[in-house]
Amino acid sequence: DIVMTQSPDSLAVSLGERATINCKSSQNVLYSSNNENYLAWYQQKPGQPPKLLIYWASTRESGVPDRFSGSGSGTDFTLTISSLQAEDVAVYYCHQYYTTPYTFGQGTKLEIK
Amino acid sequence: EVQLVESGGGLVKPGGSLRLSCAASEFTFNKAWMSWVRQAPGKGLEWVGRIKSKTDGGTTDYAAPVKGRFTISRDDSKNTLYLQMNSLKTEDTAIYYCSSLPRRWSQGTLVTVSS
Repeated sequence: DIVMTQSPDSLAVSLGERATINCKSSQNVLYSSNNENYLAWYQQKPGQPPKLLIYWASTRESGVPDRFSGSGSGTDFTLTISSLQAEDVAVYYCHQYYTTPYTFGQGTKLEIK
Repeated sequence: EVQLVESGGGLVKPGGSLRLSCAASEFTFNKAWMSWVRQAPGKGLEWVGRIKSKTDGGTTDYAAPVKGRFTISRDDSKNTLYLQMNSLKTEDTAIYYCSSLPRRWSQGTLVTVSS
């Protein structure tokens, strides 16, 4: 199974500052035939389902503010929020959909400092 | 607007069975590979299983904790996904989501396994 490890587990950032969450997969999730990384990022707020932010490691979902960006390839990935807003307080998950069993990171709780 | 609407959650005793349904609308359901994902109270996300589209073989894969107990099926004529859960255990207590990973997710339905 591919293990997804996020760091840190929790993060406190001041409003307007940058937040960075890392995700490392135990195996490569880059599919060579289409050169796509099968890696997504989600935001989850209490009582709500996960909301897709980023797919293919760096493609922003429609309607997601451009302060959210994804980067990385192979086994190392990053979600960056360029200027933290109050509504960004949530738990963030990375997820590999390269192969089954699909797996998720343990989550990173983002709070306001 | 794409919608995935679940039904069938509730309280069941250990060893019991339950079937969840997930109805899709405004969505090319018959082409989608569909998954079930669960989230135990206060915990992270756990993939349960997946069914491919019929054109891609319609085969299923399951996570180890549910293999042999849970069965995923689909009825493309009804745009509906199912999760048959048998021999339920207390550790199966969770919110269950259907999803066309990674994009579309249902609101989730709570399954509580308790005596």
